[in-house]
Amino acid sequence: AQKVTQAQTEISVVEKEDVTLDCVYETRDTTYYLFWYKQPPSGELVFLIRRNSFDEQNEISGRYSWNFQKSTSSFNFTITASQVVDSAVYFCARPTPGGGADGLTFGKGTHLIIQP
Amino acid sequence: DTAVSQTPKYLVTQMGNDKSIKCEQNLGHDTMYWYKQDSKKFLKIMFSYNNKELIINETVPNRFSPKSPDKAHLNLHINSLELGDSAVYFCASSPSLYEQYFGPGTRLTVT
Repeated sequence: AQKVTQAQTEISVVEKEDVTLDCVYETRDTTYYLFWYKQPPSGELVFLIRRNSFDEQNEISGRYSWNFQKSTSSFNFTITASQVVDSAVYFCARPTPGGGADGLTFGKGTHLIIQP
Repeated sequence: DTAVSQTPKYLVTQMGNDKSIKCEQNLGHDTMYWYKQDSKKFLKIMFSYNNKELIINETVPNRFSPKSPDKAHLNLHINSLELGDSAVYFCASSPSLYEQYFGPGTRLTVT
């Protein structure tokens, strides 16, 4: 299976620190998408970003940034100046091999704890 | 308006019972999904439905069956509930390749 690996099970930092969440993926496709989702303590899944493999430019959205490196099959997520509200479980995901209707394959998630 | 909604939000039931979880999307998407999130937060695809046809069915027990009365609904029926079925179940919909919009989840507890 083409996996998504999030090696960091849990990260704890103090508020205002920068933190990077790692994601390594496996793929045999030449074109593919990658995703990040956030699951706050309230439980819903919040879409953060979708990246196309053609676009290797880093993406920045406010305090969030994503570093996509095809050479290392990584799609890492950095939160700058973290805040307590960033505390959540973050999931990296890719389409399940087989086609667009086959849903997403998720990593096991990284539990991020921001301490005040 | 909620884009993808699920009912109920919480469901507590006893082993052996049959239950259903409803999902509705008002986004006009063609494909809908069910995911299961276990106690360790691991999310796994269970089913997807495209234009009322089942596209995939992962290694899910046949006690689980998705039913789609129309394009906007994909309900999940579970027969003979077991303790191991306790989890959070998420419905999702997708307009095209890959992008998924999730419902708020249904926490199922089997006692």
